[in-house]
Amino acid sequence: SQTIHQWPATLVQPVGSPLSLECTVEGTSNPNLYWYRQAAGRGLQLLFYSVGIGQISSEVPQNLSASRPQDRQFILSSKKLLLSDSGFYLCAWSEPRTYQPQHFGDGTRLSIL
Amino acid sequence: DQQVKQNSPSLSVQEGRISILNCDYTNSMFDYFLWYKKYPAEGPTFLISISSIKDKNEDGRFTVFLNKSAKHLSLHIVPSQPGDSAVYFCAATRPGGSEKLVFGKGMKLTVNP
Repeated sequence: SQTIHQWPATLVQPVGSPLSLECTVEGTSNPNLYWYRQAAGRGLQLLFYSVGIGQISSEVPQNLSASRPQDRQFILSSKKLLLSDSGFYLCAWSEPRTYQPQHFGDGTRLSIL
Repeated sequence: DQQVKQNSPSLSVQEGRISILNCDYTNSMFDYFLWYKKYPAEGPTFLISISSIKDKNEDGRFTVFLNKSAKHLSLHIVPSQPGDSAVYFCAATRPGGSEKLVFGKGMKLTVNP
């Protein structure tokens, strides 16, 4: 069966520090991969999605970037964190076909001080 | 512009009764709709979906109804159980959108014993 791993679960970082969140998927090939953010009291906002290695699409302009160095690995990064980057970050995957649900990891709670 | 709307932020029902969660959308291109359940500090879990060629889909205690003319869908949970207490997100996607999901802001369901 397919599993998704996301780490760390919580992270406290100072303003201006770099960020690297990692997500890996097991048990499937060539998945679609997604990064979402849930800000306090708000819904899930899609940040990036990827349909293949090295293929990244950004949904909103921001201080973050994403990379997909391997088929089942998705990384969210920042060179310098801002206070507004605080939130709950979620990685998700789906089968590369239409009408397939996305499956989420357990998320990373990021607090910027 | 919020394309998927969950206008009620919360709902409280008694155990054993029916829970009805509503969702409205504005983009007539959406053709696949999903419901997710989320516990605190966890990622959303896929519950049930429906494509636009159907008006009802049932899975155990969960039934989703789609009214395309009204651009409205609802999730019925019957009978409701205390373990159903969570935040529920409605999501939608359109063909050719790389399966990108647009989420509502969520509704908190509380089922009282």
